[in-house]
Amino acid sequence: GQQVMQIPQYQHVQEGEDFTTYCNSSTTLSNIQWYKQRPGGHPVFLIQLVKSGEVKKQKRLTFQFGEAKKNSSLHITATQTTDVGTYFCAGLYGNKLVFGAGTILRVKS
Amino acid sequence: DGGITQSPKYLFRKEGQNVTLSCEQNLNHDAMYWYRQDPGQGLRLIYYSQIVNDFQKGDIAEGYSVSREKKESFPLTVTSAQKNPTAFYLCASTRGQGLHQPQHFGDGTRLSIL
Repeated sequence: GQQVMQIPQYQHVQEGEDFTTYCNSSTTLSNIQWYKQRPGGHPVFLIQLVKSGEVKKQKRLTFQFGEAKKNSSLHITATQTTDVGTYFCAGLYGNKLVFGAGTILRVKS
Repeated sequence: DGGITQSPKYLFRKEGQNVTLSCEQNLNHDAMYWYRQDPGQGLRLIYYSQIVNDFQKGDIAEGYSVSREKKESFPLTVTSAQKNPTAFYLCASTRGQGLHQPQHFGDGTRLSIL
């Protein structure tokens, strides 16, 4: 079945360093959504990418959707302690939304 | 403020017992969803409902049941047939009926076995 692989599983960075998480699918996605879940909290929608090669920015966060619509990345520039949490991608295959396992980000101050 | 309310926050289940998790939304959203979250795994869809009085099985529906008698409410029952119910359960809703809409989540219910 459809599967979204997300890497790395876990990353621990020094405050001010950059962070990137990647999502990969073996088949083409209709779109991809990104969510952030703070420790002890619930996932919160960040953004949705629909077009091939699309790049969107939200302050220090940059989201990319691959040309083949099979992969996506989230890059955070100069991480802050407020960035801690788990970042999930969710790929849409027709009418089926499949979540990646998430990347846990920890930031050392 | 509009949002999704899940209750209780923590729930304990005895062997052979059915338990019901509540999910209420005042966002006037059409569709509602139940997900299960286990450590190190992505969210897995249990059931979803796009309109009142209709619902569909997700990927892991066995051992669970739902109802959608009102637009605002989508309770999930974890039955005794669910042998490994310990998990974090998240309810979500979307404005439209399609999964391309952003999901709005409640705060979750953490279910444990006694």
